[in-house]
Formats: sequence, C-alpha cells, structure tokens
Amino acid sequence: GAVVSQHPSWVICKSGTSVKIECRSLDFQATTMFWYRQFPKQSLMLMATSNEGSKATYEQGVEKDKFLINHASLTLSTLTVTSAHPEDSSFYICSAQTGPNQPQHFGDGTRLSIL
Amino acid sequence: QKEVEQNSGPLSVPEGAIASLNCTYSDRGSQSFFWYRQYSGKSPELIMFIYSNGDKEDGRFTAQLNKASQYVSLLIRDSQPSDSATYLCAVNDYGGGADGLTFGKGTHLIIQP
Repeated sequence: GAVVSQHPSWVICKSGTSVKIECRSLDFQATTMFWYRQFPKQSLMLMATSNEGSKATYEQGVEKDKFLINHASLTLSTLTVTSAHPEDSSFYICSAQTGPNQPQHFGDGTRLSIL
Repeated sequence: QKEVEQNSGPLSVPEGAIASLNCTYSDRGSQSFFWYRQYSGKSPELIMFIYSNGDKEDGRFTAQLNKASQYVSLLIRDSQPSDSATYLCAVNDYGGGADGLTFGKGTHLIIQP
C-alpha cells in the first residue's frame, strides 16, 4: 500500500519550454500532497504544499507564478514549471500522506534537464 | 527557521556490525521524526518514524528519540552491503495540519563487505 506514482521520470527540453509533472496516489486518496526539489549533493527542499480543491501554499523564495500547482482530485497533483531555464534543472519529487499525521511516501521523482 | 543537522560522512561500517546514524533538530515544537533511505539517483524510501521519546524497533532498525536533547538516531544492526546509501533525517510539526518535512542533508553510509 501507499504507492505514489510520478510521471515523467526524466525530461530534457529547451530553455523556455513549460514542463508538466504528474503525481498520483495509486491506492489511497490524498487531500494533501507535497512538492520537493533536490539539487545535486543537496538535501530535499520543500517547494509547496498542494491542497485538493484550493490554492497551493508555497515556501518562501519559491515563485508561485513559475511553479504552477494544481490539485484537481484526491489522487492527482500536477506541477508545471513554466518557461523553464537551465537553473531550474533539478530532481523534483512529490509525496503524499495516507492520512493526518501519517508518514509521507514519495514518488520516484522527475529529473528535469533544461538545455 | 527549522534546521536539521546530520554528519554528512561518509560513515564506513564493516558488514555485520551496527551502524549508528545521528541527527539533531532546532525546533522544539517538532512532533514527528522520520528516517528515509536514499540510493543515488533515486527518491527517498521511508525506513522508520517515531513520535514518542524512547526506542522504536522494526526488524534490524531501531529509531531513538530524545526530545529534551532534540536528538534522533537510527541504529542498523547486522549491516549489509545493500544498506549502503544516504540516510536522511526529517522532522515535522504536524500541528494539526499537514506540513511538509524539513530534511537534513543526509549521512552517506558505506557498508564494507
């Protein structure tokens, strides 16, 4: 149980392109999902909290107009990196909880490379 | 600003020995504590979580929490080469809502065959 699926696993695209990443909870419903980013040799940094049916909550320093989050259903959250640039290249990982106060389970991550 | 500190390592342990990983955190309001294992190029995998002071055991893994000292540890008994990975300590407030995790930078563990 508690499987989180993330797609795509790898994206390579040109600068200026917008990229959409999907995060799905396969065997449970998740009212809240989280998006993290990890640069090489660094730890995971929380970008935003995705809430089903309402606006996402962004961490300080994360541009909400650049990183668009949509939590359209209890099993799907999407992160769109708009007009991506090389400095946006990173490992993006989503997570979800099976319920309040439960551990977060992570998707397999999306490695984004902007040329 | 919440901070979670870990020794980056590498920590080298012989196969079959006990590996001891440590973590300290700055926010006394932290309520939930997690250990994740991350292999190179992969996403984190949950190993253990602990909410109360004391020890919690699960197979070869034991998590220890001391809230007074703001200290969390993970013991891995009978270490195997497959345990070689980066171990991430993470904390959370869980103050009634859903909060993201604050991660340490991780300890790189190497189990020597």
